[in-house]
Amino acid sequence: DAMVIQNPRYQVTQFGKPVTLSCSQTLNHNVMYWYQQKSSQAPKLLFHYYDKDFNNEADTPDNFQSRRPNTSFCFLDIRSPGLGDAAMYLCATSATQGAYGYTFGSGTRLTVV
Amino acid sequence: GESVGLHLPTLSVQEGDNSIINCAYSNSASDYFIWYKQESGKGPQFIIDIRSNMDKRQGQRVTVLLNKTVKHLSLQIAATQPGDSAVYFCAESGGYQKVTFGTGTKLQVIP
Repeated sequence: DAMVIQNPRYQVTQFGKPVTLSCSQTLNHNVMYWYQQKSSQAPKLLFHYYDKDFNNEADTPDNFQSRRPNTSFCFLDIRSPGLGDAAMYLCATSATQGAYGYTFGSGTRLTVV
Repeated sequence: GESVGLHLPTLSVQEGDNSIINCAYSNSASDYFIWYKQESGKGPQFIIDIRSNMDKRQGQRVTVLLNKTVKHLSLQIAATQPGDSAVYFCAESGGYQKVTFGTGTKLQVIP
């Protein structure tokens, strides 16, 4: 089945140690999104790629970066994780920009120790 | 700024009863609305959507109502089941813009 896959499901990292979360999709969608979701809160968009074009949200900290080497894969890099970065990180895709046909992965829960 | 919000953080419903989850939005330019269900430890799952040229849309056991006059959106779940227990988010989008999520309502189904 076509889907959005996030690895790993759970990630523990040390304070200040760079960490990378990955997302892959078999939907051949043009757009890939990264959301941060803290406990009991709504998902918050960090950035998205429309094809190879990177679109950063104005309030996304510089500590968060992203790479999209090809259509299928997108990575979230946290350069120096702080305790406040502990959250669920959700990857989503859509065929075009906007809400139509959003598909979410199951997320990666990041713990910072 | 523009925002999407929910009226109630937690809703408890008896199994078999109907559930109604409400959402208010403030962006009059929004033309597409979505309801997502999120179970613990999982990503949001699409339930139903509605475009601004409609005021009602029905799916299997779910109905979404849109009142553009008062900028209100609701999700109705018929014959609520234990498997419906989850957090429900409304979300909105204007054209080809990003999706903005509301704060979420936790639905608890009492057996």
